[in-house]
Amino acid sequence: NFMLTQPHSVSGSPGETVIISCTRTSGSIASNYVQWYQQRPGSAPTLVIYENYQRFSGVPDRFSGSIDISSNSASLIVSGLKTEDEADYYCQSYDPLNQVFGGGTKLTVL
Amino acid sequence: EVQLVESGGGLVKPGGSLRLSCAASGFTFSSYSINWVRQIAGKGLEWVSSISFGSTYIYYADSMRGRFTISRDDAKNSLYLQIDSLRAEDTAIYYCARDIYQGRLIFLPDYWGQGTLVTVAS
Repeated sequence: NFMLTQPHSVSGSPGETVIISCTRTSGSIASNYVQWYQQRPGSAPTLVIYENYQRFSGVPDRFSGSIDISSNSASLIVSGLKTEDEADYYCQSYDPLNQVFGGGTKLTVL
Repeated sequence: EVQLVESGGGLVKPGGSLRLSCAASGFTFSSYSINWVRQIAGKGLEWVSSISFGSTYIYYADSMRGRFTISRDDAKNSLYLQIDSLRAEDTAIYYCARDIYQGRLIFLPDYWGQGTLVTVAS
């Protein structure tokens, strides 16, 4: 089974752009779609990006996703940071028999 | 509006059993695959199990196989997770989450419930 590695934390000031990375440890990042989930304290996760770059219903276009085959990683890009973006973010992917979540990244808005 | 509401959590002694439920509404439950995902306090998300529409396919995370049993009752729009031989390390919030596409199982949760807390302690 593969794993997904994320930085423990990232931070930025309101209005800035932050990028959260998610590196696949084995197998190609392009083998299966990558999703991103936002989880605010005390709340359930919500889907933000699916199938690498598709925004889920109601998600503002300040959120975008991409993959980079050369680094075998996916990225969540949050532009025009707002205080409400402060949350934990998890990447997720799957193979034919299971799904895997990254360890999560805490985004702090300074 | 898609809604998933988990129940059945609580305090249970090590070695005990629990059956969690997930009541679904706002979509055609029988046409969707459903996932269970858990989260230990202060930790990340961990996939537990998934069941396809029609119960044709059932999958478990390697570490969950043997003590966890997923099932569904489409007539009641409900999903279940039976957990046996509970251990302290099973203490977590358990979420049910719908798989995104009708008529498929691709391990891509879209809508999540609020979760139910299972605490295993003597």
